[in-house]
Amino acid sequence: DAGVIQSPRHEVTEMGQEVTLRCKPISGHNSLFWYRQTMMRGLELLIYFNNNVPIDDSGMPEDRFSAKMPNASFSTLKIQPSEPRDSAVYFCASNKDRGSYEQYFGPGTRLTVT
Amino acid sequence: QKEVEQNSGPLSVPEGAIASLNCTYSDRGSQSFFWYRQYSGKSPELIMSIYSNGDKEDGRFTAQLNKASQYVSLLIRDSQPSDSATYLCAVNEWGYQKVTFGTGTKLQVIP
Repeated sequence: DAGVIQSPRHEVTEMGQEVTLRCKPISGHNSLFWYRQTMMRGLELLIYFNNNVPIDDSGMPEDRFSAKMPNASFSTLKIQPSEPRDSAVYFCASNKDRGSYEQYFGPGTRLTVT
Repeated sequence: QKEVEQNSGPLSVPEGAIASLNCTYSDRGSQSFFWYRQYSGKSPELIMSIYSNGDKEDGRFTAQLNKASQYVSLLIRDSQPSDSATYLCAVNEWGYQKVTFGTGTKLQVIP
């Protein structure tokens, strides 16, 4: 089976531009998680969905960040407008169902905002 | 605030030795415990899950859980240079999908 798929793998953009990150979870997985990883703050959960519904978005840093999951096989994380402090690696992860808490990570998107 | 604490390291061990990685957590309601390995520039990879007190072995890896002491550890036997990575401890509370990650321990296996 294919793992979690993320695109793009690298993104370089200028401050003020809109950035959209994409994720396809593992087929059959019902929960999807967006994380951000930096050296200073480690791995932070931004938001997670269960059955396409946002369950907890308390980690979303501010209104510039938004996430959607229009169907079971696709999610986006959008930053508008982007700022240099948003530079980080953004990971998407998925897991199968309630009762199984093992998360499987995608390869990540390295975002650089100049 | 649920916390998961790990020593950031680096932990240096010679090739062939046992590497011992430790993690403590603050939430007594935690029920599921995970170890992830993350190579530099790569994504976290799940290597062990443990749900009940005691030891769980998988190849060269052994996870140990002590809920009374709120302590979970990972032992790597016969350490290899390819084990050099950052190891993340993750914990969640039963019934919740969300997990809390520690900041990771960097392991260096010296040939």
